[in-house]
Formats: sequence, C-alpha cells, structure tokens
Amino acid sequence: EPEVTQTPSHQVTQMGQEVILRCVPISNHLYFYWYRQILGQKVEFLVSFYNNEISEKSEIFDDQFSVERPDGSNFTLKIRSTKLEDSAMYFCASSDRGPTEAFFGQGTRLTVV
Amino acid sequence: AQKVTQAQTEISVVEKEDVTLDCVYETRDTTYYLFWYKQPPSGELVFLIRRNSFDEQNEISGRYSWNFQKSTSSFNFTITASQVVDSAVYFCALRGGQGAQKLVFGQGTRLTINP
Repeated sequence: EPEVTQTPSHQVTQMGQEVILRCVPISNHLYFYWYRQILGQKVEFLVSFYNNEISEKSEIFDDQFSVERPDGSNFTLKIRSTKLEDSAMYFCASSDRGPTEAFFGQGTRLTVV
Repeated sequence: AQKVTQAQTEISVVEKEDVTLDCVYETRDTTYYLFWYKQPPSGELVFLIRRNSFDEQNEISGRYSWNFQKSTSSFNFTITASQVVDSAVYFCALRGGQGAQKLVFGQGTRLTINP
C-alpha cells in the first residue's frame, strides 16, 4: 500500500541552526502538506503546496519556514534558524485532490536544544 | 473561523465495552468535510474516515461506526466491543469547502482500553 515516508524519524539540533525535514509523498498525489504537533497537543496546519507553489499557509508559517519540491518525488520543510519552541513532531501529508483525505507520514520528531 | 471541539480529553474503559468519542464542529461553509484520525502510541496519524457535509448517512465499518448529525454539528465515533489495540489518541478534523485545503484538528481524545 502506498505511503508517505519521512526522514529522519528524529532530529536533534542546536538553537539557531537550520534544519531540513524530508518527505516523499504518495506518488500520484497532487497536494502536499506540513503539520506540526507540539508534544501532547493538537495537530496544527503549517502549509499546503499545490502545482509547485504554496496554496495556503498558517500564521505559524513565518519567514523562518520554507517548503520546496526539488524534484518529482521529494517535498521538504526548511526551518532557517530554529528556536526552542520549534521542538515538535512534524508531519508531512499528501492527498490526490483538495477535499479528499490526507495521508500522513510517520512524522519527524524535532528537538531543539 | 472553523473549530473542532473534542470535549473528552481522556476516556478509560474495560475491554469489550462500547465507547463513544464526541466531536462538535463549527463552520460557516455550506460544504465541508469531516475526518477521524487515529494516533497510536507509535505516533503516526492513521486516516479512519471522511464524511462530506452533503452526505448525512451514518457509516459502519466493522466495530467502528460514525454518527453525523448536521443539526447538532456533531460527528461522533463509536467503537463497539473495544479491544486493547484500540488504545490511541483519536482526532476529529474539519476541512472547509471553497477550495480550502487545511485540516483543522480537535484537541484529541486519549482512549485507553484496559484488559
């Protein structure tokens, strides 16, 4: 069964460092997303990406964040200068159309120290 | 603005009991989509069901059933004859219409099934 895969599963980084979280969405999907979940809290939308551009973003997704689809398979989230409060589980998701269900990867746990 | 409320933060039952997880939503969209996701202890988010606002038919899938009531803006989830493997955090989520793509999640309900 096709699935969304994320790497790494866990990343520890120093405050102020740049991190790149990587995702391979399901191959025939057209919409890609990043969500985050601070430990013990609800899942929050960060950004959606369609047709090679950001289609929607939340107020969390400020200038420190960027997304890219560098080739036909990968979808990345970059945080330029990490802060302690960026520590969270980051989920990548994809869907074949806007209104349909999104399928999530297993998440990358980011710890900023 | 869209909002999802899961008032039950934690539920604990004994195996084989039936359990209902409540979800109440708010939206001004006339077309919208409701979802349930399961987050087991391993952490991933597993899609369970999608329901469109124009389809109020309830759905049953094995031990799982969902009750969509537009009149009360609720989309409740019932597990019949619960099993230990059902232990997880369950999230209700809402996506608006009009081309909206983001999912708005509720706070989640942590369900513990005790043997």
